[in-house]
Amino acid sequence: EDKVVQSPLSLVVHEGDTVTLNCSYEVTNFRSLLWYKQEKKAPTFLFMLTSSGIEKKSGRLSSILDKKELFSILNITATQTGDSAVYLCAVEANNDMRFGAGTRLTVKP
Amino acid sequence: GAVVSQHPSRVICKSGTSVKIECRSLDFQATTMFWYRQFPKQSLMLMATSNEGSKATYEQGVEKDKFLINHASLTLSTLTVTSAHPEDSSFYICSASLQGMTETQYFGPGTRLLVL
Repeated sequence: EDKVVQSPLSLVVHEGDTVTLNCSYEVTNFRSLLWYKQEKKAPTFLFMLTSSGIEKKSGRLSSILDKKELFSILNITATQTGDSAVYLCAVEANNDMRFGAGTRLTVKP
Repeated sequence: GAVVSQHPSRVICKSGTSVKIECRSLDFQATTMFWYRQFPKQSLMLMATSNEGSKATYEQGVEKDKFLINHASLTLSTLTVTSAHPEDSSFYICSASLQGMTETQYFGPGTRLLVL
């Protein structure tokens, strides 16, 4: 059975801290792994990863995929209160998309 | 726990026909279900929010007469694409939560619709 597991489920940090969010998966016919940030409405797309070892970077956010160990991490450096959100990991495989339960990040001033 | 299923996973239909997509929470009661549509570059657009026993709340720009949403029970919501056209071809994803948008959402695996 395909599954995507995110950890931790929730995380509270202070501004300026660096955080690492984890996503592990077990799927058949992996195609890509996606990271989203969800604040209020629809999840906002962050990264799509298809190849191992290639870091994707956008400002203070970066992500990398390990297809051998079947996981990805999302790093956020110098966190700000605006980074508070639920971060979702999703894996595209076969004909569907499997989402993890998300990591709820709270950044305190 | 917290599993959400969608049926069908893939559907191909002719232009002008209607297609119904089901979203079920398998092991919990979902007071609120959400319907999303995936656009190019993996972005997700929230189409509507449905609460059990009441009318769905549609996002701006989403035609409620075209995308009929019914949330008949705490475990089932349906999205019917009426008179489907090729531009409706997309990946439709539902999610369910216990208490609305602020609570954790559990996503279904999606339904890929192709309208010929």
